Amino acid sequence: DTGVSQDPRHKITKRGQNVTFRCDPISEHNRLYWYRQTLGQGPEFLTYFQNEAQLEKSRLLSDRFSAERPKGSFSTLEIQRTEQGDSAMYLCASSHYQGEQYFGPGTRLTVT
Amino acid sequence: TQLLEQSPQFLSIQEGENLTVYCNSSSVFSSLQWYRQEPGEGPVLLVTVVTGGEVKKLKRLTFQFGDARKDSSLHITAAQPGDTGLYLCAGAGRSYNQGGKLIFGQGTELSVKP
Repeated sequence: DTGVSQDPRHKITKRGQNVTFRCDPISEHNRLYWYRQTLGQGPEFLTYFQNEAQLEKSRLLSDRFSAERPKGSFSTLEIQRTEQGDSAMYLCASSHYQGEQYFGPGTRLTVT
Repeated sequence: TQLLEQSPQFLSIQEGENLTVYCNSSSVFSSLQWYRQEPGEGPVLLVTVVTGGEVKKLKRLTFQFGDARKDSSLHITAAQPGDTGLYLCAGAGRSYNQGGKLIFGQGTELSVKP
């Protein structure tokens, strides 16, 4: 399977803990995007990378959130000191330069 | 700020009926994508429309991009239970600086009953 993969698929954590999610894009795609989706809403853009460079961050991405793509391949999204409002589906997508975006299955985060 | 308004938000119909979902904005988009999402999964790309007035067909699904590239519609003919899911429209901004990030509508939850 050469699609976008995300790990873990589900994460339950207690408020105040740190969590890290991983995304592996389609191998030849140079752009990687992170989105967040809450129940009953469409996905909202968080940040994106072109190769290893993080080119844009949304205002939604508070200083508790950090994303990396160190070698221009996989990416990680870390949330520090999680809050209940962070509970959501975190989606990763990849594309060729400004091409169509293909999404992974998402990581469902529940903060208790 | 670019926004996409989708309507209706919920749609429950019987198998065999036709339906149309609308996606409207006051902003111009360089392209517009339609995705379908199942519960607990990521969105799956159905189609991309790029040219104003463009019409694309995918079996029983017909997608149209408005002439001014501000709106789009999805029409399903003879809906089947397998069409059940969340339908999302997503627009890509015009300028290079917007980097291709997608602006999503809030989605249309479709339920097709046998």
